[in-house]
Amino acid sequence: QSALTQPPSASGSPGQPVIISCTGTSSDVGAYNYVSWYQQHPGKAPKLIFYEVTKRPSGVPDRFSGSKSGNTASLTVSGLQAEDEADYYCSSSAGSNIVVFGGGTKVTVL
Amino acid sequence: EVQLEESGGGLVQPGRSLRLSCAASGFTFDEYAIHWVRQAPGKGLEWVSGISWGSGSTAYADSVKGRFTVSRDNAKNSLYLQMNSLRPEDTAFYYCVKVGAVASKYNLYFQHWGQGTLVTVSS
Repeated sequence: QSALTQPPSASGSPGQPVIISCTGTSSDVGAYNYVSWYQQHPGKAPKLIFYEVTKRPSGVPDRFSGSKSGNTASLTVSGLQAEDEADYYCSSSAGSNIVVFGGGTKVTVL
Repeated sequence: EVQLEESGGGLVQPGRSLRLSCAASGFTFDEYAIHWVRQAPGKGLEWVSGISWGSGSTAYADSVKGRFTVSRDNAKNSLYLQMNSLRPEDTAFYYCVKVGAVASKYNLYFQHWGQGTLVTVSS
């Protein structure tokens, strides 16, 4: 049950793209197409923004996209907006009823 | 509307026990796995434990295995986390989270979150 690896920070100017990587192993990210992403603003509970790698819940802007290749998943924000400044966490299934999270990435809008 | 409300947090001395509860509403409780996720102040998310829809399957993070026990009462739409032998590193907000997929042990995305209850382990 080792944590998934995310960069601690990412930044960009409004309108610029930002990509956050999430690297796991063949026992979690590589084993299942069950990667999720969460957005957390300060003082708030996390919010699901992606599930099953590429699926967006209703209400999540389409400037967000998800992908996966091998043991690495990625979250892309195609055009940053001020409200996108938040912490982002990836997670993956790692067995029956077992989940592993990434360490989180703080996104700053310059 | 799905609602998850945690309770039972508080200040506890190292080595003591605490029981968290989560009251659920707005969905068919016995069709979904429910999990606990914690977040130490200023830190990242950590998965703690999960239980399948019929209580037949449970799982724990290595950091709490043997000390924490998850259970559910489908008749009361409630989830519990019995925490024994608490350590200072268990200090965190504990979130009750509902899995989005019906009756799934592997497709474990957390669609709904409670507001969390703070557990502080300190002498």
